Amino acid sequence: DTEVTQTPKHLVMGMTNKKSLKCEQHMGHRAMYWYKQKAKKPPELMFVYSYEKLSINESVPSRFSPECPNSSLLNLHLHALQPEDSALYLCASSQVIGTEAFFGQGTRLTVV
Amino acid sequence: RKEVEQDPGPFNVPEGATVAFNCTYSNSASQSFFWYRQDCRKEPKLLMSVYSSGNEDGRFTAQLNRASQYISLLIRDSKLSDSATYLCVVNPSGNTPLVFGKGTRLSVIA
Repeated sequence: DTEVTQTPKHLVMGMTNKKSLKCEQHMGHRAMYWYKQKAKKPPELMFVYSYEKLSINESVPSRFSPECPNSSLLNLHLHALQPEDSALYLCASSQVIGTEAFFGQGTRLTVV
Repeated sequence: RKEVEQDPGPFNVPEGATVAFNCTYSNSASQSFFWYRQDCRKEPKLLMSVYSSGNEDGRFTAQLNRASQYISLLIRDSKLSDSATYLCVVNPSGNTPLVFGKGTRLSVIA
């Protein structure tokens, strides 16, 4: 089962809202990732967790706050976002950092 | 030089055609290589890993040329359903995240 599940699939939020994106995998993968993707661009790495510890933060603004409650779950907490943060947010996992990654279906986020 | 470079296309080919994409990478120590496929408004999906000896999966063949630092993807007998963006992905060195190329758009036309 090579499935990564993300919820919600779509989210519209105001600039003063707080919301969370959720990601779950049951493949026993020890690396999990958040990516942001704009139209006609490749996925852009935001955060990497390795063995439940934050390993990489690609200079992401603090209005994005990741959390890894356990080895199967990854959250992305959103607060005070800007309209330019509207994008497809993709979660991925891999056995360890650098091996082939499997993506969830993404959350299409619109900030109004 | 960018870490992973691809021709963005679009490549517009008729059904049944053979089409090839190349991708170059800058880090000679790069260890593993992949092709992903991404349909419009969907997530990237792993198409193939690329091995030193090359590998084939049905109509798809991937090859690696370490000396020239490029990988290729060949699609034979193109189908309409092959229309997508093909992402070249490289692991630059061991315990580092994958690096994505910008993708090559393919449109297969009836």
